[in-house]
Amino acid sequence: DAMVIQNPRYQVTQFGKPVTLSCSQTLNHNVMYWYQQKSSQAPKLLFHYYDKDFNNEADTPDNFQSRRPNTSFCFLDIRSPGLGDAAMYLCATSIQGTKNIQYFGAGTRLSVL
Amino acid sequence: GQQVMQIPQYQHVQEGEDFTTYCNSSTTLSNIQWYKQRPGGHPVFLIQLVKSGEVKKQKRLTFQFGEAKKNSSLHITATQTTDVGTYFCMNYGGATNKLIFGTGTLLAVQP
Repeated sequence: DAMVIQNPRYQVTQFGKPVTLSCSQTLNHNVMYWYQQKSSQAPKLLFHYYDKDFNNEADTPDNFQSRRPNTSFCFLDIRSPGLGDAAMYLCATSIQGTKNIQYFGAGTRLSVL
Repeated sequence: GQQVMQIPQYQHVQEGEDFTTYCNSSTTLSNIQWYKQRPGGHPVFLIQLVKSGEVKKQKRLTFQFGEAKKNSSLHITATQTTDVGTYFCMNYGGATNKLIFGTGTLLAVQP
């Protein structure tokens, strides 16, 4: 089945130790998104790619970076994780257009020790 | 900036009771999407509304888009335990071309 796959499902890192989360999709969607979701809150958009065009949200910390080497893969790099970065990170895809229906992966839960 | 608020924040109902969540925006919405997120799960798309005053139904779920396109509602008739989760509205586009999720309503259903 076509889907959005996130690895790993659970990630534990140490304070200040760089970590990379990955997302792959078989939907061939041209838009990929990264969201941060903390407990009992709505998903917060960090950035997204229209094809190779990177769009950063104004309030996304510089500590968060992203790479999209090809249509299928997108990575979230957290350069120096702090305790406040512990959250669920959700990847989503969509087809650029009027609907922009979001197809979400299962998420990666990040813990920072 | 644009804000999308949902009320209530939390609703606890007995199985069989009805449930409604409201989504309100400070600005006119180009469209509204609704998502459901089960506990421990990820958001799943339910429906999109585009036209002023639009009403759509999915079995026991009824979705409405306000005439002024600043609010929307999701109504569930005769809730079941499978309806448990957080319901989010989301807007994409509009004057700012932004993607914004509403604050969400957590529904708990007691058998």
